[in-house]
Amino acid sequence: GEDVEQSLFLSVREGDSSVINCTYTDSSSTYLYWYKQEPGAGLQLLTYIFSNMDMKQDQRLTVLLNKKDKHLSLRIADTQTGDSAIYFCAESGLGSARQLTFGSGTQLTVLP
Amino acid sequence: NAGVTQTPKFQVLKTGQSMTLQCAQDMNHNSMYWYRQDPGMGLRLIYYSASEGTTDKGEVPNGYNVSRLNKREFSLRLESAAPSQTSVYFCASSEAPAPYSNQPQHFGDGTRLSIL
Repeated sequence: GEDVEQSLFLSVREGDSSVINCTYTDSSSTYLYWYKQEPGAGLQLLTYIFSNMDMKQDQRLTVLLNKKDKHLSLRIADTQTGDSAIYFCAESGLGSARQLTFGSGTQLTVLP
Repeated sequence: NAGVTQTPKFQVLKTGQSMTLQCAQDMNHNSMYWYRQDPGMGLRLIYYSASEGTTDKGEVPNGYNVSRLNKREFSLRLESAAPSQTSVYFCASSEAPAPYSNQPQHFGDGTRLSIL
């Protein structure tokens, strides 16, 4: 089946930039998503990118997509303590038309 | 602005007991989903309903049943709970099934289920 991989942990200092990486295997992926999960809560959609785009920027968030290498990244500028959470990468593709495949999530810890 | 509402938020069961997890959305979405979240494994799809009146198996359907009661409601039933079903369960909804739409899935806050 399709696979999405992320590193499990990332620590950054407050004010620095965070970069969370994700790789996926489905070459037919059409949309790729980033979700944020705070403790005890559900998943909140942060942003998404269509597979024919290389980059998308939304305020402090920048998504980069390298379709050739099947690599997706989320950059958070000026990281704040409120950004501490688990970040999930997810992809949808033609091969799994009605479901998302999620990575295992990256726990971002922002240190003061 | 409720979005996706799940009940209950917490539940403890004994092995062999049954229960139904409820999910309702007020966004007039066509598609609804049930996931389970286990540590280090992300979210795995249990069942989904692409539209009212249809349901399909996801990645991990064994031990579960679902009912799409109407457009708003999608329930998940454990007929005979097992310790391996201890997990956090999330319901989600979307306007249309990916990838035919860029409408993302919206998630409820989850049901934390422990089976002893």
